[in-house]
Amino acid sequence: GENVEQHPSTLSVQEGDSAVIKCTYSDSASNYFPWYKQELGKRPQLIIDIRSNVGEKKDQRIAVTLNKTAKHFSLHITETQPEDSAVYFCAASLSGSARQLTFGSGTQLTVLP
Amino acid sequence: DTGVSQDPRHKITKRGQNVTFRCDPISEHNRLYWYRQTLGQGPEFLTYFQNEAQLEKSRLLSDRFSAERPKGSFSTLEIQRTEQGDSAMYLCASSMGTGNTEAFFGQGTRLTVV
Repeated sequence: GENVEQHPSTLSVQEGDSAVIKCTYSDSASNYFPWYKQELGKRPQLIIDIRSNVGEKKDQRIAVTLNKTAKHFSLHITETQPEDSAVYFCAASLSGSARQLTFGSGTQLTVLP
Repeated sequence: DTGVSQDPRHKITKRGQNVTFRCDPISEHNRLYWYRQTLGQGPEFLTYFQNEAQLEKSRLLSDRFSAERPKGSFSTLEIQRTEQGDSAMYLCASSMGTGNTEAFFGQGTRLTVV
């Protein structure tokens, strides 16, 4: 089955700096890659997603890049703010949708004021 | 709140007891998913419904676990003869059918087996 590895497990940045979280996946047939943000005690919330026919997608301060050849994708957050502090999960799916998402183990991002 | 709701939010049970959780998806969503999340890990897929049909089950879903979605609306997840290893957060999510891929998660039911 699919396996998703996520790095780093913890990341601290100064407010205003950029943060980058990287994930690799094992199954080259995976075609949908969402990123979820989970604040302590709250539900995971989708922040951005990308499909395999696109190399990059941007939404304000958040961007995701996908390298299908290398089977890795990354989340980039620019101009970080304290409210960006949370656990971020990447995921991959073979179905092109939210069916059977395989999640990474998460990255605890702390934005220091 | 028109999001995905789960009940109860917390459940403490003794080993060997049966427990049942409920999930109410967003009303127009025909797809429903159950995931399990342990501390410090990402959610793990358990099962998937499209309307009332259970289309996919993970190998993680042992025969002590059963899920239903009898009328294609709310869903229940039952765990029989609970074990300490069942302690986790059980998350439900829902999404619309083809053309919209975003899955919306509920806040989960935290199960503690003592």
